[in-house]
Amino acid sequence: SQKIEQNSEALNIQEGKTATLTCNYTNYSPAYLQWYRQDPGRGPVFLLLIRENEKEKRKERLKVTFDTTLKQSLFHITASQPADSATYLCALAPSGGGADGLTFGKGTHLIIQP
Amino acid sequence: DAGITQSPRHKVTETGTPVTLRCHQTENHRYMYWYRQDPGHGLRLIHYSYGVKDTDKGEVSDGYSVSRSKTEDFLLTLESATSSQTSVYFCATHTRDSYEQYFGPGTRLTVT
Repeated sequence: SQKIEQNSEALNIQEGKTATLTCNYTNYSPAYLQWYRQDPGRGPVFLLLIRENEKEKRKERLKVTFDTTLKQSLFHITASQPADSATYLCALAPSGGGADGLTFGKGTHLIIQP
Repeated sequence: DAGITQSPRHKVTETGTPVTLRCHQTENHRYMYWYRQDPGHGLRLIHYSYGVKDTDKGEVSDGYSVSRSKTEDFLLTLESATSSQTSVYFCATHTRDSYEQYFGPGTRLTVT
């Protein structure tokens, strides 16, 4: 069956360091992969999308890599700040376009300590 | 929040009663979704719509129905609520242009 796995444990990082979150998937051939941020009591907010033919994507302090051979995406936050503390969700579109919905991982809770 | 509102934001109801949750968007997005989020499961797709009166089932559709009579509104109905439907429900919209989904603030539903 199709599965998306993210670090289930909370990730504690010291302020200023790089936080790296992992998303592994099985039995998918996604055309692209997305990352979302979710704060307590709020809906997810889109951060980045990376396509299957892209190895890396950057946006300000965020970097995403996508290895379709390993079936893995890594999400990096450089120069982390306490305001980056949140739950980060990885999402795949099973049929490519995403029009029929996304499949989400359970999320990784990131805590940036001052 | 890309002009997406959900109502009510919180609801407590009893087992066996019907419940309707409303999602309203002002972005004229064609695609709309209902997800539920539970501890240990993450976000799971309930139903989605690809246009007015066009809907389809998602991963966890049993016990839920939806309707979309206008582009801006997508309703989720629990015909007879059960305690297993206690959850946080999120509505989302999507455009073909960007692939990203825009989420509403969520509705916390408790079925006692």
